[in-house]
Amino acid sequence: GQSLEQPSEVTAVEGAIVQINCTYQTSGFYGLSWYQQHDGGAPTFLSYNALDGLEETGRFSSFLSRSDSYGYLLLQELQMKDSASYFCALAAGRRALTFGSGTRLQVQP
Amino acid sequence: GAGVSQSPSNKVTEKGKDVELRCDPISGHTALYWYRQSLGQGLEFLIYFQGNSAPDKSGLPSDRFSAERTGGSVSTLTIQRTQQEDSAVYLCASSRQESYEQYFGPGTRLTVT
Repeated sequence: GQSLEQPSEVTAVEGAIVQINCTYQTSGFYGLSWYQQHDGGAPTFLSYNALDGLEETGRFSSFLSRSDSYGYLLLQELQMKDSASYFCALAAGRRALTFGSGTRLQVQP
Repeated sequence: GAGVSQSPSNKVTEKGKDVELRCDPISGHTALYWYRQSLGQGLEFLIYFQGNSAPDKSGLPSDRFSAERTGGSVSTLTIQRTQQEDSAVYLCASSRQESYEQYFGPGTRLTVT
């Protein structure tokens, strides 16, 4: 089977940098995705890492280490609007994703 | 362009009744997925359609759940004899064939009383 672990909650202040970690277990691996979901909203795609290393998209970066079965999402210059839940999701063995339980990020002024 | 749409947005039903949830994917997206999300939880995979291939039903929790996709576009998820544990938000997503980037609809909040 597949499983992912991520912290349930993270708190940070506006303007700071926060890292949300994700570890996974799987047999067969295609990639690790990250999605953002605001309360009452639909998940929206942030990034997809198939290879080791850092992918940067504006204020958001995502990192993958396949040898460590580990990834993280890095959010820089935090804004209040970044308060949301962040999900890592595993692409392994099938096209549909296996989602972690989510990390609730609270950005404080 | 139009995103993924779902209807109804909210559905309240009595235990034991059947419900149908509808999803209109983004035009041109060949892959369609159904997930459900309980309050404060992650997304649970239900079923996946890709083009004309047989669907991947491995996530359906029981035989009360079924889904179809007509003409490679619109999909309907049917839950028969609903139970209280079926209460959740049902999310539909679509993607281009070779992409892991999924686009989600706003979901249908199902409440079984």
